Amino acid sequence: GAVVSQHPSRVICKSGTSVKIECRSLDFQATTMFWYRQFPKQSLMLMATSNEGSKATYEQGVEKDKFLINHASLTLSTLTVTSAHPEDSSFYICSAEQTGFDYEQYFGPGTRLTVT
Amino acid sequence: QKEVEQDPGPLSVPEGAIVSLNCTYSNSAFQYFMWYRQYSRKGPELLMYTYSSGNKEDGRFTAQVDKSSKYISLFIRDSQPSDSATYLCAMSAGGYQKVTFGTGTKLQVIP
Repeated sequence: GAVVSQHPSRVICKSGTSVKIECRSLDFQATTMFWYRQFPKQSLMLMATSNEGSKATYEQGVEKDKFLINHASLTLSTLTVTSAHPEDSSFYICSAEQTGFDYEQYFGPGTRLTVT
Repeated sequence: QKEVEQDPGPLSVPEGAIVSLNCTYSNSAFQYFMWYRQYSRKGPELLMYTYSSGNKEDGRFTAQVDKSSKYISLFIRDSQPSDSATYLCAMSAGGYQKVTFGTGTKLQVIP
């Protein structure tokens, strides 16, 4: 089956520092990857859509300069949280859409970010 | 009004019961309908997907879509304690349109 990995699974950083999260599709190519944020007891909130080789499309209210997304290859997208603050603490989940299958998204296991 | 409405629960059932999970939606452009299962502190796992109206069965799981009523359901037969998780419905218009998720229903199956 389609497998998506995320690294790291858990990270603690100090306020003001930057954190990079990697999302990889392990056994398929993903032209499109998505980044979500999930707060406790809330649903997934789409932050941005990442297309290989082009700029990411951010959802309204998401700061593109704070959440930098790079989708350099068909199997890797990265999310960098710059100048992190405690309110950025959340569960970040990526998903990958298998090229040619526009309705099936496969999710990574998520990254729990805690900013102290 | 949210595009997708889902009762957050929690829903508690005894082991072996039939579970019915539901979502309603307002966007008539939605054509792809998915159900995800999410265990605590894990990423969502795709359980079922359905295109347009109709039923789809996979083992103990049955997904139903009624586009005329804008209503989708997931049935779990012979529920097991391992089914205890949050179930998220999701839907999309397709054509690389974004997927919209429900808030999830927390299910607890009691042994």
